Amino acid sequence: DVKVTQSSRYLVKRTGEKVFLECVQDMDHENMFWYRQDPGLGLRLIYFSYDVKMKEKGDIPEGYSVSREKKERFSLILESASTNQTSMYLCASSTSGTNNEQFFGPGTRLTVL
Amino acid sequence: GIQVEQSPPDLILQEGANSTLRCNFSDSVNNLQWFHQNPWGQLINLFYIPSGTKQNGRLSATTVATERYSLLYISSSQTTDSGVYFCVPGTSYGKLTFGQGTILTVHP
Repeated sequence: DVKVTQSSRYLVKRTGEKVFLECVQDMDHENMFWYRQDPGLGLRLIYFSYDVKMKEKGDIPEGYSVSREKKERFSLILESASTNQTSMYLCASSTSGTNNEQFFGPGTRLTVL
Repeated sequence: GIQVEQSPPDLILQEGANSTLRCNFSDSVNNLQWFHQNPWGQLINLFYIPSGTKQNGRLSATTVATERYSLLYISSSQTTDSGVYFCVPGTSYGKLTFGQGTILTVHP
């Protein structure tokens, strides 16, 4: 079974703090993704990576950066957290082949005060 | 980008009822997934179905790619089926497009 894990289930941070969200997958997938989910706005893609040290902007990259130093790990970084970044963050991974089914982690519910 | 329209937006059922959820999408797609998001926010993979028909227990799905729609059938619904169902088309390099989903509530 594919397993995608995220470092925290719930996180509370203060405005201006630097925040790291970690995601690890155990299926040797090439592609990894970060989404945020907000009521009424659905899931939106922040960044994705199709290889180690490679990254591509998604639909809403502003205020975020990412890091992928190892194939199994993809980090989302909020350089200076703001209240409008309070959200549910979901990580996913997939192969780069024909069957590129995405598998999601359990999510991190981040609150920025 | 691809537009996704799911219907109905909300569905309330009694336990044991059957239902059909529909998804229309605006363009050709390379892949299509159905997910169930449970009340704790976890997205659970139901089907990877760019075309054809698949069945898994009480659930089955059909995608007619040439007509740009997909259907999810739920038979003998249970309270644990409650949650949000997403039909999610994707591109060849894996970018998914999420719509608003169908909110399903199953009462005992």
